Amino acid sequence: DSGVTQTPKHLITATGQRVTLRCSPRSGDLSVYWYQQSLDQGLQFLIQYYNGEERAKGNILERFSAQQFPDLHSELNLSSLELGDSALYFCASSATGSLDLYEQYFGPGTRLTVT
Amino acid sequence: AQKITQTQPGMFVQEKEAVTLDCTYDTSDPSYGLFWYKQPSSGEMIFLIYQGSYDQQNATEGRYSLNFQKARKSANLVISASQLGDSAMYFCAMREGPNTGNQFYFGTGTSLTVIP
Repeated sequence: DSGVTQTPKHLITATGQRVTLRCSPRSGDLSVYWYQQSLDQGLQFLIQYYNGEERAKGNILERFSAQQFPDLHSELNLSSLELGDSALYFCASSATGSLDLYEQYFGPGTRLTVT
Repeated sequence: AQKITQTQPGMFVQEKEAVTLDCTYDTSDPSYGLFWYKQPSSGEMIFLIYQGSYDQQNATEGRYSLNFQKARKSANLVISASQLGDSAMYFCAMREGPNTGNQFYFGTGTSLTVIP
């Protein structure tokens, strides 16, 4: 158990809908990262937050948004869902936001299926 | 150009033998980090090892070592004394520094099968 929790574990929804994925980092970790893993695109970095502020932005679509709250949990919002958004969404946390402390702890992932 | 290249889609290794998983990277940022992750069939992602671009010595973590050859831009993972539980997908990743936006890039992965 990495100490990172993600809810829900599975999510099935229809095209055009909006969903929210939630992540709680390990106790004491200030950084949260979101990744998408799909069969056709592989693993992609979406976004990183550090202590409530956006630190880095990857291949995150405009239909997607994220935030990190004062209690450090994070939410990833996916809207106007398309079939191609079906993927495993991972959250990871680390103690800092820099390269200096590198160890990332991954949550179990949320499997999103868009029908 | 691909930022991370893993040229071995699948590898087999005999139990107790060592295996090397290849990874090459491409960046112009002098500050970067290299990572290896393991993803078993159960789906979770497990961090294995990290190498910073300024680190002088190769990183080691138990049976894992990272063979860092900066001039060749390679960061191969060496697993010694393979165990059946090492069968999994292995991903190489790179994080660039703040000059280039702290971006993360992943390779396509290598599927490792350990044979008893």
